[in-house]
Amino acid sequence: AQSVTQPDIHITVSEGASLELRCNYSYGATPYLFWYVQSPGQGLQLLLKYFSGDTLVQGIKGFEAEFKRSQSSFNLRKPSVHWSDAAEYFCARHPGGGNKLTFGTGTQLKVEL
Amino acid sequence: EAQVTQNPRYLITVTGKKLTVTCSQNMNHEYMSWYRQDPGLGLRQIYYSMNVEVTDKGDVPEGYKVSRKEKRNFPLILESPSPNQTSLYFCASSFRLAGGPNEQFFGPGTRLTVL
Repeated sequence: AQSVTQPDIHITVSEGASLELRCNYSYGATPYLFWYVQSPGQGLQLLLKYFSGDTLVQGIKGFEAEFKRSQSSFNLRKPSVHWSDAAEYFCARHPGGGNKLTFGTGTQLKVEL
Repeated sequence: EAQVTQNPRYLITVTGKKLTVTCSQNMNHEYMSWYRQDPGLGLRQIYYSMNVEVTDKGDVPEGYKVSRKEKRNFPLILESPSPNQTSLYFCASSFRLAGGPNEQFFGPGTRLTVL
């Protein structure tokens, strides 16, 4: 079965520091990959997605992610974190057929001022 | 405004009392889905619907029912809720594209507590 792994349950960074959130997916055909953010008490908002083409994808709020097939990874990055980025982040994978998303367990980001 | 709405947003109920959580989207999406979110488990799909009158089980369908009589609505029904169904529930919708995925839009969530 396809799976998505987010190894870090909690991450704390200082405001202004760089951020990298890890995501690994299980082997399969061309993966369609997403990053969602969930702010406290809110639904999920799409940050960015990778379907094909350029392996470095830009998203909203200054986030980017790089798809690395050799490492089965799709890590999320931001060069300078803002306090408002504190939230839970989910990596998700779509198999290409049907419409089911498989989510990772999430990474809770805390930003220290 | 394009959106997915869920009602109620918060619900506290007792074991065995039937309830329905409504979900509605105004984007003319074919595909709709229900997820539950539990700490340490991420989001898990309960049921999904590819179009009107077409529904199928997701990963954790036990104890839930759904119906899709209209394109815009996809209610989640708990016939006899139990405490292990205490969770945060999300409805999502998207267009259905042949040969590839599409962005899913999520509702704001419904926090359900079953006592």
